[in-house]
Amino acid sequence: DSGVTQTPKHLITATGQRVTLRCSPRSGDLSVYWYQQSLDQGLQFLIHYYNGEERAKGNILERFSAQQFPDLHSELNLSSLELGDSALYFCASSLRAGGWETQYFGPGTRLLVL
Amino acid sequence: AQRVTQPEKLLSVFKGAPVELKCNYSYSGSPELFWYVQYSRQRLQLLLRHISRESIKGFTADLNKGETSFHLKKPFAQEEDSAMYYCALRDSGAGSYQLTFGKGTKLSVIP
Repeated sequence: DSGVTQTPKHLITATGQRVTLRCSPRSGDLSVYWYQQSLDQGLQFLIHYYNGEERAKGNILERFSAQQFPDLHSELNLSSLELGDSALYFCASSLRAGGWETQYFGPGTRLLVL
Repeated sequence: AQRVTQPEKLLSVFKGAPVELKCNYSYSGSPELFWYVQYSRQRLQLLLRHISRESIKGFTADLNKGETSFHLKKPFAQEEDSAMYYCALRDSGAGSYQLTFGKGTKLSVIP
């Protein structure tokens, strides 16, 4: 599959714990975006990386951080987890950082915090 | 701040009936508007974008800047159109191009 991939598909953990979500962009894409989808807030932008550098931050908590590695995959780290962090986390990739480009979405990681 | 509003959480129509999924936005600049669709158990995928003025799977959407709307329309609904539909806005002037999504409308086409 040459599309965006995300691992793991599902994650169940306890409050206070830390997890790492992984995203591999489409081959050749330099931009990775992270979004959080929750029942009450809908789909919200968290953070954007382009070619290893942070480009923009959205509604991302201080307990959350991300990075993009030289091979362009990205990781979203969530720490001191709370019940309210339970959500579906999507990443999307695009070739560059703007213009009229389409963002291609991964299948998401479903996080459940108990 | 930009905002996208989809007033209907759920829309049920009969097969063959016209469909209109509403989307209104608030944004001070020149917006780029998109419709994304998520079929059951599949990932979010782009349906269409206002800049292309195209018709995909029989769907069209026209950007109305006066009414700040980007409603999605299809003259004859098909069962395979049943899905979640998200309207999204991209800030074309911010230096980054994240999407602001509406909360989505679930379209159910009744056979």
